[in-house]
Amino acid sequence: GQQVMQIPQYQHVQEGEDFTTYCNSSTTLSNIQWYKQRPGGHPVFLIQLVKSGEVKKQKRLTFQFGEAKKNSSLHITATQTTDVGTYFCAGGVDAGKSTFGDGTTLTVKP
Amino acid sequence: KAGVTQTPRYLIKTRGQQVTLSCSPISGHRSVSWYQQTPGQGLQFLFEYFSETQRNKGNFPGRFSGRQFSNSRSEMNVSTLELGDSALYLCASSPRVRNEQYFGPGTRLTVT
Repeated sequence: GQQVMQIPQYQHVQEGEDFTTYCNSSTTLSNIQWYKQRPGGHPVFLIQLVKSGEVKKQKRLTFQFGEAKKNSSLHITATQTTDVGTYFCAGGVDAGKSTFGDGTTLTVKP
Repeated sequence: KAGVTQTPRYLIKTRGQQVTLSCSPISGHRSVSWYQQTPGQGLQFLFEYFSETQRNKGNFPGRFSGRQFSNSRSEMNVSTLELGDSALYLCASSPRVRNEQYFGPGTRLTVT
């Protein structure tokens, strides 16, 4: 079945450093979504990418969808303490459900 | 619009009992999915409903079941509870199948 791998599992950064999490799928995706879950909270939808090579920005967050539509990345520039949490990608295929990666947990040291 | 609501928020049950969790999706959303989240297992997909029909099902035993009503509200039921069923159960609604999902706050189930 479809698998979505996310790396790294954990990332500790100093406030102001950049952060990147990567998502890789075993199959070609029709779309990919990114979510953020704050400690003690629930996943919150951030963005969806659907086009090959697509790049979208939300303030300090940059999302990319690979040309082959099998990988994606989320990059945060100049992290802040408000960025702490677990970032999940979810890969969708036309014929079935979206599969979530295991998430990357980001901690930011002030 | 009001967000996804889940009831109850917290629940403590004993092994062998059964439990029913409820989810009210965002108004106009017809797709509802359920997930189990545990510290070591991440987000595990349980099932997805669209217009009262189960569209997809995850790899969970038959003790886990669900349904969706004509108003899109959904329930999931776990029978013969086991200690390993202790988890946060999240419901997510979507305007369409295979689209962005909006999660509720979850029901934290503890089985003793």
